[in-house]
Amino acid sequence: AQSVAQPEDQVNVAEGNPLTVKCTYSVSGNPYLFWYVQYPNRGLQFLLKYITGDNLVKGSYGFEAEFNKSQTSFHLKKPSALVSDSALYFCAVLGDLNDYKLSFGAGTTVTVRA
Amino acid sequence: NAGVTQTPKFQVLKTGQSMTLQCAQDMNHEYMSWYRQDPGMGLRLIHYSVGAGITDQGEVPNGYNVSRSTTEDFPLRLLSAAPSQTSVYFCASNLDRFGETQYFGPGTRLLVL
Repeated sequence: AQSVAQPEDQVNVAEGNPLTVKCTYSVSGNPYLFWYVQYPNRGLQFLLKYITGDNLVKGSYGFEAEFNKSQTSFHLKKPSALVSDSALYFCAVLGDLNDYKLSFGAGTTVTVRA
Repeated sequence: NAGVTQTPKFQVLKTGQSMTLQCAQDMNHEYMSWYRQDPGMGLRLIHYSVGAGITDQGEVPNGYNVSRSTTEDFPLRLLSAAPSQTSVYFCASNLDRFGETQYFGPGTRLLVL
């Protein structure tokens, strides 16, 4: 079985400070990892993914994520947060390329204060 | 392109009633999925389809049926609504398997009394 965990329900940061949203995963084989963002009353939007290759993945809106196999983590980061980054963030994993079933974490609410 | 459209936006049902949530996409995507979103539980996959005529169960399929007669449409049927099915439902479509080009619809809020 595959699963992801987002240990923090909420993350609060000041604008201009670094932002980190944590994600750990569990799969039986190689993981394929994703981050999505959801703004209020909207569907999810893709941010970035890790399939293979460089452990540091760069995505939309200045976000990046680092894949760490030894720690089974895929934390989302942004060097300087904006108020507009306030949203709900989801980590997701696909454990088998032949299985289309994405598993999502419970989500982390990010609030960036001015 | 309209992208992924969902109707209705909001629906109230009584226990035992049936209804169909509509989902359509105009991007010629082969992959389509239905998710439900509940507080503190993220999104859970209900059913998915990898092409017209092909559907499969996701994580929480009980109480729901789907069909995929065309590439564009992927309706979700609630056979006999229960209060546990109160949720926000999202339809999504993908160009590829990995979700990079996954587009989500605006969602349908369902309240079952």
